[in-house]
Amino acid sequence: QVQLQESGPGLVKPSETLSLTCNVSNYSIRSDSYWGWFRQPPGKGLEWIASIYHWGGTYYNPSLRSRVTISVDTSKNQFSLKMTSVTVADTAVYYCARHLIGTPPPDPQNVGWSRGSLVTVFS
Amino acid sequence: EIVMTQSPATLSVSPGERATLSCRASQSISSNLAWYQQQPGQAPRLLIYGASTRATGIPARFSGSESGTRFTLTISGLQSEDFGVYYCQQYINWPLTFGGGTKVEIK
Repeated sequence: QVQLQESGPGLVKPSETLSLTCNVSNYSIRSDSYWGWFRQPPGKGLEWIASIYHWGGTYYNPSLRSRVTISVDTSKNQFSLKMTSVTVADTAVYYCARHLIGTPPPDPQNVGWSRGSLVTVFS
Repeated sequence: EIVMTQSPATLSVSPGERATLSCRASQSISSNLAWYQQQPGQAPRLLIYGASTRATGIPARFSGSESGTRFTLTISGLQSEDFGVYYCQQYINWPLTFGGGTKVEIK
């Protein structure tokens, strides 16, 4: 079963750049898969941020597109997120995931989410 | 953007009873609908995909159905570990979108 673990700083100052990395285990990032970032502000619902296909095709939430970059490092079996010009509104638990998309979605029985990492924007 | 609307926001159910959760899409998403369960402090857990297919290891008391753009998650014989927040998500196209969630609480 696919396993994911995100890493990155838990505190970021306003106007700075948030950087997170997701390490993938038990599954090749080169496989027919979509890898994505999601977030959840404290006490609120889930929001999709961005996704990347294994060969590098990228997809972004229009509401965040201007500040977000997703990338993949196939040699390390990991993918990353950068979010610029953060504000307190970006405070959330950030998850990385192998997720469903399309008809039919590739290997739907191997959807997986990381445990989540709280990122606080704090001056 | 496809808007997903869940109802009710909160559902109070006694252990052993049936819980019925609803989700409506603002346009056709075929069967590209997933249900997730989230317990406090944990990541979302995939329960159902394709509107009605249980994910690996999900008990048979969880079932999903669809009628046009309306989707239902039924939990038969609610157990203590089933209390939490449930989200529906469409994955037919970008941007991926979630419903606002239904909190299933102990009555």
